[in-house]
Amino acid sequence: DTAVSQTPKYLVTQMGNDKSIKCEQNLGHDTMYWYKQDSKKFLKIMFSYNNKELIINETVPNRFSPKSPDKAHLNLHINSLELGDSAVYFCASSQDQVGQETQYFGPGTRLLVL
Amino acid sequence: AQKVTQAQTEISVVEKEDVTLDCVYETRDTTYYLFWYKQPPSGELVFLIRRNSFDEQNEISGRYSWNFQKSTSSFNFTITASQVVDSAVYFCALRENSGYSTLTFGKGTMLLVSP
Repeated sequence: DTAVSQTPKYLVTQMGNDKSIKCEQNLGHDTMYWYKQDSKKFLKIMFSYNNKELIINETVPNRFSPKSPDKAHLNLHINSLELGDSAVYFCASSQDQVGQETQYFGPGTRLLVL
Repeated sequence: AQKVTQAQTEISVVEKEDVTLDCVYETRDTTYYLFWYKQPPSGELVFLIRRNSFDEQNEISGRYSWNFQKSTSSFNFTITASQVVDSAVYFCALRENSGYSTLTFGKGTMLLVSP
């Protein structure tokens, strides 16, 4: 009965590989997000989708491509992984996109690029 | 542009001490929302509280209390009688009212509570 889930929890891979992280929420929310947390714990928004449509796309390399097959899922695909991509990636969801809605976070995916 | 400052990088206290985590924000909007999240050593992000800009009432939840002061653009968080389980990184965050606004986090304050 996890609200926001992510798989995998840990991901260790070589530079140049392509990898995907999956996110699912069972809260019935319309809006989903991807955040990156760097080694200094700084959290920054990457993408936001509302009803499967991209609404926020921060300055993220185009090697990162989000995909939302339905409202409950938002996956993140990363091409040609680089050392600097090592971070914790958090998925989140909220009822809708307005500012007052609380965002609930998944457990995070710890990505290590060697 | 919106900004959140948590000037305290790390705070160490002994169990049962009270501790206040500071949060100062900047925004041009008159309507905005403030949040606190907790990130324990296990790594997940746990929502603690949301406060609307038009509601300046302080809030208390058990040992936790929040002091929102628009005049000083601050939204401070106090833990009373701290416990070891309170050890975590605490993030303050701000979001403006626009549907395309983003949730902006402060850099976090690491709280270490020792027995």
